[in-house]
Amino acid sequence: DVQMTQSPSTLSASVGDRVTITCRASETISSWLAWYQQKPGKAPKLLIYEASILQSGVPSRFSGSGSGTEFTLTITSLQPDDFGTYYCQQHKSYVMPFGQGTKVEIK
Amino acid sequence: EVQLLESGGGLGLPGGSLRLSCASSGFTFSTYTMAWVRQAPGKGLEWVSSFSGRDGTTYYADSVKGRFIISRDNSKNTLHLQMNRLRVEDTAVYYCARETGHFDYWGQGTLVTVSS
Repeated sequence: DVQMTQSPSTLSASVGDRVTITCRASETISSWLAWYQQKPGKAPKLLIYEASILQSGVPSRFSGSGSGTEFTLTITSLQPDDFGTYYCQQHKSYVMPFGQGTKVEIK
Repeated sequence: EVQLLESGGGLGLPGGSLRLSCASSGFTFSTYTMAWVRQAPGKGLEWVSSFSGRDGTTYYADSVKGRFIISRDNSKNTLHLQMNRLRVEDTAVYYCARETGHFDYWGQGTLVTVSS
């Protein structure tokens, strides 16, 4: 079964900072990886799919990269609205598809 | 505009049953795989079940296999989740989502609380 490990679990950054979140898969998943943002009390929102494709309507400060087992989500210039929890999701298999989440706080 | 609207959440007894529904609009429902994803209070996302729009295959997380049944009514653009033999650990917000490998559209969620 593919296991997804996200890091860090929490991060605190200032507006304008470059932020990077990493997701590692226990086995290769090619580019079958998506990233979501979730705000408290709200449904998750798709940001990136197939590792690097920006979902329509998502600001271009978000980008994704990687393939195989290591992936990153980058926010090039953190904005106040970017607080929340970010999840990666592999879709090579249905078993345990989501990472455990990274909580992003604005300093 | 794609819209997903869950209903049917509420309080269930351990060992009891609840049925969730997800009404869909704004896309050709029958051609898409649809899924349920849940989130326990203060916890992360957990995929629960999916129903393939391509060939009708159903998939379940081990945590719900044998207790939950996913179904769909393509004539009514509706997805269901029949939840039987409820456990306290099934307490969560349940989201309906459209699945294309990733989950591109989500409902607002419905809260299921299992407690005696």
